[in-house]
Amino acid sequence: GAVVSQHPSWVICKSGTSVKIECRSLDFQATTMFWYRQFPKQSLMLMATSNEGSKATYEQGVEKDKFLINHASLTLSTLTVTSAHPEDSSFYICSARGQGADTIYFGEGSWLTVV
Amino acid sequence: SQQGEEDPQALSIQEGENATMNCSYKTSINNLQWYRQNSGRGLVHLILIRSNEREKHSGRLRVTLDTSKKSSSLLITASRAADTASYFCATKGAQKLVFGQGTRLTINP
Repeated sequence: GAVVSQHPSWVICKSGTSVKIECRSLDFQATTMFWYRQFPKQSLMLMATSNEGSKATYEQGVEKDKFLINHASLTLSTLTVTSAHPEDSSFYICSARGQGADTIYFGEGSWLTVV
Repeated sequence: SQQGEEDPQALSIQEGENATMNCSYKTSINNLQWYRQNSGRGLVHLILIRSNEREKHSGRLRVTLDTSKKSSSLLITASRAADTASYFCATKGAQKLVFGQGTRLTINP
């Protein structure tokens, strides 16, 4: 299947700082990318959907000023957690879909720990 | 809110046995997809079944879809230790995927 790369795989940051996570589609053009958050032993919660070149659509309850999503190109989307706090510690996963495609491919996820 | 609900939440079987997981959903869908997630890792796409399909096979996987009952099942035949993982169904409406809670499958050697 198609390859979606996520970086970094894990990151530790201090409370109050910002951290950026990148999601890249390596072998296809991702017109739509999705960001999910997953708590231990729970399902994936969709945070936002981003289409290349336009503003992200956030799910209800997700703070857009805290979780900044940029999808500036057809192969790259970034999630920036601003002013991170310990409660933001979680597993963040991106996924991507090509134009007109049904299958959505996922990255390997990024573990964020805020200390 | 979650769209899909997997059943059972946890399943433990012996290697070589078949594993069946079920998924129910609430609204109309374009397709339904099954994913596998190993602990602490990303999701691996297993199989997609469209709303006009009733059954689909891929290797040891068999997926059924009953749109009248809004349910799907995933059968893994001749299970292996490497099949130990969480399995999620995801339903796709207009654009986004919505995931169920998942079934944690453990294959005992």
